[in-house]
Amino acid sequence: EAEVAQSPRYKITEKSQAVAFWCDPISGHATLYWYRQILGQGPELLVQFQDESVVDDSQLPKDRFSAERLKGVDSTLKIQPAELGDSAMYLCASSLDPRQGGVNEQFFGPGTRLTVL
Amino acid sequence: AQSVTQLDSHVSVSEGTPVLLRCNYSSSYSPSLFWYVQHPNKGLQLLLKYTSAATLVKGINGFEAEFKKSETSFHLTKPSAHMSDAAEYFCVVSRAGYSSASKIIFGSGTRLSIRP
Repeated sequence: EAEVAQSPRYKITEKSQAVAFWCDPISGHATLYWYRQILGQGPELLVQFQDESVVDDSQLPKDRFSAERLKGVDSTLKIQPAELGDSAMYLCASSLDPRQGGVNEQFFGPGTRLTVL
Repeated sequence: AQSVTQLDSHVSVSEGTPVLLRCNYSSSYSPSLFWYVQHPNKGLQLLLKYTSAATLVKGINGFEAEFKKSETSFHLTKPSAHMSDAAEYFCVVSRAGYSSASKIIFGSGTRLSIRP
């Protein structure tokens, strides 16, 4: 069964360092999402890609966070510099183009747990 | 604008008894509604989805939910709880069939505990 892949699964870093997370969506999924989930809360959408284009990054802290999906397939989320408050689970999800299916059912990867010391 | 409210942060039931997890939503558009489950140290898994077809939606593992437009609710139910149902459950609202800025909103989650 096709799955969304994420790496690394765990990352420990010191504040002010740079970190990067990688996501490989299910093949054929045009839409890719990055979420941040703070312990005890629901996931918060950070950025949504349609192919290689960003369609929603309204909740992305752009002073320190960046995301790219250059070829419209896999994606990288970067934080520079990391802050203590960035400690969270970072989830990647993908879906078929909801404009075609009418429903953006998302498939989630296992996540990257980030700890900033 | 869209929002979703999960009315209970924690629900505890005995094994074999019914489960009810409550979700209310607000949407300026025709909504798509979902329930996801998150087991400890595992990824989010889709339980069921509402897409403006049947208002009673059946999902995996015996769960179902009913879309009630007049009450703006999408409560999740299961007739008989099993120990393996212990997990965190999330209600999700998004704008139906719209790609750009779908404004996907997750609820804050309901932790379901099952007593033996």
